[in-house]
Amino acid sequence: DAGVIQSPRHEVTEMGQEVTLRCKPISGHNSLFWYRQTMMRGLELLIYFNNNVPIDDSGMPEDRFSAKMPNASFSTLKIQPSEPRDSAVYFCASSLVQAGGNQPQHFGDGTRLSIL
Amino acid sequence: AQTVTQSQPEMSVQEAETVTLSCTYDTSESDYYLFWYKQPPSRQMILVIRQEAYKQQNATENRFSVNFQKAAKSFSLKISDSQLGDAAMYFCAYRSVGTALIFGKGTTLSVSS
Repeated sequence: DAGVIQSPRHEVTEMGQEVTLRCKPISGHNSLFWYRQTMMRGLELLIYFNNNVPIDDSGMPEDRFSAKMPNASFSTLKIQPSEPRDSAVYFCASSLVQAGGNQPQHFGDGTRLSIL
Repeated sequence: AQTVTQSQPEMSVQEAETVTLSCTYDTSESDYYLFWYKQPPSRQMILVIRQEAYKQQNATENRFSVNFQKAAKSFSLKISDSQLGDAAMYFCAYRSVGTALIFGKGTTLSVSS
């Protein structure tokens, strides 16, 4: 089975540009998570969706960040306008949440974002 | 709020030896899950092992085992017969029912031959 697929793997862009990161979760999973990894702050949750509905977006840094999940097989994380401090590795993860227990989260390979 | 603490930024071990990585957490929940993830230089996040809080038996996966002390809120990872391929950053993570993962800061494990 295909795992969580993220694109692009690397993104280098100039400050002020719009950046869109993409994620395809594992088929059948009903929860999707966006995490950010930096040296200073480690791994932290940005937002997560359950059945395509945002449940917790308290980790989204500011209005420049937005995330959507238009259907069960696709999600985007957008930064507009981008700033150098947004440089990080962004991970998408998915899992199956069901009554009686939660399955572990499976991570994509991440997108390394560099804002110049 | 829940927190996860990994007090060892770096650890080292020789091939074939055993090493234990420490993790403590803080929560007021009674039903939760604990995980260890491995992140090699390729930056993949690989699930190593997981533990359900309601289970008293410590989880094991081949050379990897945990020591789960619920009252002490401790969740250490033991790697037996260490191999060069075990060198990576290891993250301890906590999750309560229906929530996202909360990660510790990580422990970098180096393995020497």
